[in-house]
Amino acid sequence: AQKITQTQPGMFVQEKEAVTLDCTYDTSDPSYGLFWYKQPSSGEMIFLIYQGSYDQQNATEGRYSLNFQKARKSANLVISASQLGDSAMYFCAMRGLRGTAGNKLTFGGGTRVLVKP
Amino acid sequence: DSGVTQTPKHLITATGQRVTLRCSPRSGDLSVYWYQQSLDQGLQFLIQYYNGEERAKGNILERFSAQQFPDLHSELNLSSLELGDSALYFCASSSERVHQETQYFGPGTRLLVL
Repeated sequence: AQKITQTQPGMFVQEKEAVTLDCTYDTSDPSYGLFWYKQPSSGEMIFLIYQGSYDQQNATEGRYSLNFQKARKSANLVISASQLGDSAMYFCAMRGLRGTAGNKLTFGGGTRVLVKP
Repeated sequence: DSGVTQTPKHLITATGQRVTLRCSPRSGDLSVYWYQQSLDQGLQFLIQYYNGEERAKGNILERFSAQQFPDLHSELNLSSLELGDSALYFCASSSERVHQETQYFGPGTRLLVL
């Protein structure tokens, strides 16, 4: 079974500052992927960044970086230079990597971020 | 734009009715996943299809069914609808190739059961 925990239900961040969103996970899968998605108020789920459990380096995508600490089972998202458009709900998710069957995403409860001008 | 399309965007119906939600995956993706997002349950996996075959089932009610067609589009059928079925329903697709396991989500269908 897989479990994702996001302990921060909501947070404010000042525009242009960096923000870290916490995510811890638990899984029995030997190989897994960790994902972050953004859900703005319009409702769509936007993929941000991916980290494979086998990756030696932390993933980065533009202003997004993933602080992956395998031993601590954490996969925190860092958003640098926050913009007003970053205000949204952010979900951490994980899935097993085992071929084509049963690799559903398990989601955390989400963290709502509000960027203040 | 993720490349995944879902129709309709909004659906308002009455209890006891039946609806069909449609999803077209990204070009080349063989795997389709359905998820339900509700206020009390969060994001929950319903069912997965890969190249036309059911591969995994999650918390999908017996009143719900899905299929994936030869052209890889998928439909989620919800019947005998109840007020509690009101939710945002997402379809996601993935190629399932190694290092390409990301699931890309469609815009969702917002279902309101009155």
